[in-house]
Amino acid sequence: AQSVTQLGSHVSVSEGALVLLRCNYSSSVPPYLFWYVQYPNQGLQLLLKYTSAATLVKGINGFEAEFKKSETSFHLTKPSAHMSDAAEYFCAVRGDSGGYQKVTFGTGTKLQVIP
Amino acid sequence: DVKVTQSSRYLVKRTGEKVFLECVQDMDHENMFWYRQDPGLGLRLIYFSYDVKMKEKGDIPEGYSVSREKKERFSLILESASTNQTSMYLCASSPSPDRGGHSQPQHFGDGTRLSIL
Repeated sequence: AQSVTQLGSHVSVSEGALVLLRCNYSSSVPPYLFWYVQYPNQGLQLLLKYTSAATLVKGINGFEAEFKKSETSFHLTKPSAHMSDAAEYFCAVRGDSGGYQKVTFGTGTKLQVIP
Repeated sequence: DVKVTQSSRYLVKRTGEKVFLECVQDMDHENMFWYRQDPGLGLRLIYFSYDVKMKEKGDIPEGYSVSREKKERFSLILESASTNQTSMYLCASSPSPDRGGHSQPQHFGDGTRLSIL
């Protein structure tokens, strides 16, 4: 079965510092991976996705993620945190059956940005 | 821009009531999903529909049912609400895989925060 593990339910960084949110996956098929962001009182929106093309994926708002097969990782980074980045971030992997429409989400990482 | 609309942002119901949560999407997506979100547990799939009148159980279907009579609308039904169904409910939609077979991202509504008293 597919699964993702997000290390750290809460991460705090100073404004301007590097953001690193960790995600490790397990997949029985070639993985398609996603990062979503959830701002308070809103639904999730897509930050970026990996679908077996380039291993370094660039997303919105200056975020990027690197797919590393040897480490089964898909960590999310941003060089310089902004106050507006404070949100909850979810890593997700596509399912291995049913037309691959389903995804499995991680438990989320809440990012706090300290002024 | 894709819009997924959930009928209520906040809802308060009583134990034993039958509760309907409605979701409408405007992009002609084939797939629709219902999740519940609880602190520390992330999103858990309740039900999934890949076509009109078609449905598939997710990871936690017990106590829930769904209805998809029209392509744009996907309803979640709590047959007899219980306090352990107090949660945030998120609806999402996605198109079918592209020609390369790549899974497509899901588009989410803003959620319904449901309280069962």
